[in-house]
Amino acid sequence: SYELTQPLSVSVALGQTASVTCDGNNIGGKNVHWYRQKPGQAPVLVIYRDNNRPSGIPERFSGSRSGNTATLTISRAQVGDEADYYCQVWDRSTGDVAFGGGTKLTVL
Amino acid sequence: EVQLVESGGGLVKPGGSLRLSCAASGFVFSGYSMNWVRQAPGKGLEWVSSISETSTYIFYGDSVKGRFTIYRDNAKNSLYLQMNSLRAEDTAVYYCARWKGDSGTYFIDNWGQGTLVTVSS
Repeated sequence: SYELTQPLSVSVALGQTASVTCDGNNIGGKNVHWYRQKPGQAPVLVIYRDNNRPSGIPERFSGSRSGNTATLTISRAQVGDEADYYCQVWDRSTGDVAFGGGTKLTVL
Repeated sequence: EVQLVESGGGLVKPGGSLRLSCAASGFVFSGYSMNWVRQAPGKGLEWVSSISETSTYIFYGDSVKGRFTIYRDNAKNSLYLQMNSLRAEDTAVYYCARWKGDSGTYFIDNWGQGTLVTVSS
């Protein structure tokens, strides 16, 4: 099964830029999607197809993909951005779905 | 408004069975593939199973293959997960999730609130 690796935690100062990475073998050949999950809540889609924002997600959220790494970038970080963030890919050859292990974002 | 409401969770003994249900509303259920995703206490998200719009394509994660069965009833706007031979490691919140296909990829654009399954003697 396909594996995605994320850092366990990322810290960012209030108002600064946070980057959450997602590593996977040949991830450059797949589209990456990102979800935010706050404690006690269901996940919410924040980025789809590498760099697209669903309606209602602020422009401060962006995504990119280069080589074997996808990155979720949160600009002007706010206390309300504190959450767990997960990356996800779909493998078209097997139909399998993979999630990264999740990254806890802390805003200092 | 899209709504996904899970039910059927609870406490079950190891080796037992449970059936989860997901009632969908606010969209054309038969036009979407669906997923079950689970999250063990304090852990990350784990994909369980996917089913296409007309049940033609069904996929399972390695940890549940042979024990769980996903199915749907489009006439009732409902998704199900039959879980057999349950183990302690199946303890988790189970989410029903709508699968969105877009330009050759799939992602989850709507999630239910989840139902807790606890496997313990």
